[in-house]
Amino acid sequence: EVQLVETGGSLVQPGKSLKLTCATSGFTFSNAWMHWVRQSPEKQLEWVAQIKAKSNNYATYYAESVKGRFTISRDDSKSSVYLQMNSLKEEDTAIYYCTPIGFAYWGQGTLVTVSS
Amino acid sequence: DIVMTQGALPNPVPSGESASITCQSSKSLLHSNGKTYLNWYLQRPGQSPQLLIYWMSTRASGVSDRFSGSGSGTDFTLKISSVEAEDVGVYYCQQFLEYPYTFGAGTKLELK
Repeated sequence: EVQLVETGGSLVQPGKSLKLTCATSGFTFSNAWMHWVRQSPEKQLEWVAQIKAKSNNYATYYAESVKGRFTISRDDSKSSVYLQMNSLKEEDTAIYYCTPIGFAYWGQGTLVTVSS
Repeated sequence: DIVMTQGALPNPVPSGESASITCQSSKSLLHSNGKTYLNWYLQRPGQSPQLLIYWMSTRASGVSDRFSGSGSGTDFTLKISSVEAEDVGVYYCQQFLEYPYTFGAGTKLELK
């Protein structure tokens, strides 16, 4: 059974940093391209970032809204993907989900609230 | 960026009736490989999104055959035949042809 568990969300002040973790199981993580997708309080879904597999040189892609502030990474030995979020803004407030290529599996998400 | 525009439903939908949700993309999602890079999701209240349809018309594993997807390169329809209580929620379309992958704003289905 495929499982994705996102953790690391919290209340943080604007300008601060936060690192999200997505621990996975039930599929061959090392071959999987992984995404982060977020959902705003207004329920709009937004694709955030993608990281490909080792065979694709761990290539990364970002939404323009987070480019230069967020970094996606992975640890194949731990079957985990990460999202380092720096210089957070109030508009980054959302539930953050990780999902493998194909978007067929989603975790429960982790809530990030950016507010002073 | 490719803009995804979803239509509204004439809510509430009577139980047992069919419902069709439309989605339009600002660019053709038909790839030269013959596949259309469009997904449909359902997000039930309090839950994470669930993939219903991929490649515009292929049902995801375990999805009821009451759900069907169709369309052309830029105009798409998700049809739900014989709407049931478990179909209540928000439906999203998404393109994954090119970065950034983009979603529609969602279409809410309410049951009468």
